[in-house]
Amino acid sequence: DQQVKQNSPSLSVQEGRISILNCDYTNSMFDYFLWYKKYPAEGPTFLISISSIKDKNEDGRFTVFLNKSAKHLSLHIVPSQPGDSAVYFCAAQHLKVTFGTGTKLQVIP
Amino acid sequence: EAGVAQSPRYKIIEKRQSVAFWCNPISGHATLYWYQQILGQGPKLLIQFQNNGVVDDSQLPKDRFSAERLKGVDSTLKIQPAKLEDSAVYLCASSLESAGNTIYFGEGSWLTVV
Repeated sequence: DQQVKQNSPSLSVQEGRISILNCDYTNSMFDYFLWYKKYPAEGPTFLISISSIKDKNEDGRFTVFLNKSAKHLSLHIVPSQPGDSAVYFCAAQHLKVTFGTGTKLQVIP
Repeated sequence: EAGVAQSPRYKIIEKRQSVAFWCNPISGHATLYWYQQILGQGPKLLIQFQNNGVVDDSQLPKDRFSAERLKGVDSTLKIQPAKLEDSAVYLCASSLESAGNTIYFGEGSWLTVV
């Protein structure tokens, strides 16, 4: 039973444009959500998080939106840069953290 | 501040052999996690420690995997005997507490079982 789903395995975006990565979850008990970025041969790096009591959190070029009624969150990257090319994992927490399967983002110069 | 340290980075063993991975979390972090990440999948939690006690080990294959966190700091994850399907990256991570806190990962230990 996959409680956190990232339905797009890959995404290509032109440099300077917006990247939107999506994540859906099924467990309404999740109360904290995180996004991680992973480069090849490295461990995941924390990017941004949001509590279930909020619907938006912004940090520089990165914004996470949470729609609890739809059980959906998204990560917006504006403007996208070639260095953003990586695999992005969303994660959700209730007692323990559950990860999605990841979306590979390619930012084309 | 030093990050989560893991060793070895890479290990190749034959099936039925044993292997051990070591992790040193960020100083002061009470919660330590071991995740398994198989190629093309997201990290899967194997075991979670709060100080030196086990909080969750529901997905740890206990017939072959074991983990300990003596003194509530360093941790070791052991696999014995290894199977081909154990080939994966083993990620150690830590956080200040277990709820509502950011989890910080190490670089991972890459295991290939042949």
